Amino acid sequence: DAKTTQPNSMESNEEEPVHLPCNHSTISGTDYIHWYRQLPSQGPEYVIHGLTSNVNNRMASLAIAEDRKSSTLILHRATLRDAAVYYCILSPPSSNTGKLIFGQGTTLQVKP
Amino acid sequence: DAGITQSPRYKITETGRQVTLMCHQTWSHSYMFWYRQDLGHGLRLIYYSAAADITDKGEVPDGYVVSRSKTENFPLTLESATRSQTSVYFCASSAWTVNTEAFFGQGTRLTVV
Repeated sequence: DAKTTQPNSMESNEEEPVHLPCNHSTISGTDYIHWYRQLPSQGPEYVIHGLTSNVNNRMASLAIAEDRKSSTLILHRATLRDAAVYYCILSPPSSNTGKLIFGQGTTLQVKP
Repeated sequence: DAGITQSPRYKITETGRQVTLMCHQTWSHSYMFWYRQDLGHGLRLIYYSAAADITDKGEVPDGYVVSRSKTENFPLTLESATRSQTSVYFCASSAWTVNTEAFFGQGTRLTVV
C-alpha cells in the first residue's frame, strides 16, 4: 500500500488559516486521498476526501497537487475546537474493503 | 438513536478472561471495522467485515475473534485477555468502499489487569 508522510506537529493561531501537508509520492492513479481528524478522547471523524480535483466542504478544503504526489488540507479559520490529530490516508479501490490504514498523523495545536 | 454505538465504554478485566466488546450501527452499512489505539502506535486495524458473515483480518488480528451474523452488529471478542491488549478500541462503519466516509464510535477503553 502507498504510504503517506505528515509532519508530527503544527501550530496555528486562532482564526488564522491552517495548511496541513501530506506527501504521498507512491500514490497510484486510483487511490483516493482521505483526511480524518481525532479530537481528544474521541473517535476519528471524517473531514474530506478526493481523487484528483480540489474539494471543498463545510469543514475544510482539500488541495491536491497536479501530479497527486502531495495534498494539503486547508482549515480556513482555525478555532480552538480544531485542535486535534489530523490523518492523511490513501484508500485504494483495488482493495475493495474500505479499510483505512492510519499513520501517525499531525497533531495540530491552536493558540488563542 | 441513529449512529454507531460501542459498549461498554469502559471495562476492566483480568488476564485470561474472555471479554466481548459490542458495536452496533443503525445505518445498515455494509462495511464495519475494529481498530485499537495505543500510545506510540496510533490506530491499527484488527478485523474488518464487508457484509454479514464476511470477515477478514487486519494488521493485528492475533488474540481476537469477530463475528457478524447481523449487518448491524460486529462484536469483538478477546478469547483470553492479556495485558498487551489493554487499549482503546474503536469500531467504525461505512456504506461503500473507497469513495465514502467512515463513521467511528466513541471507543471502549479496556484495561487488562
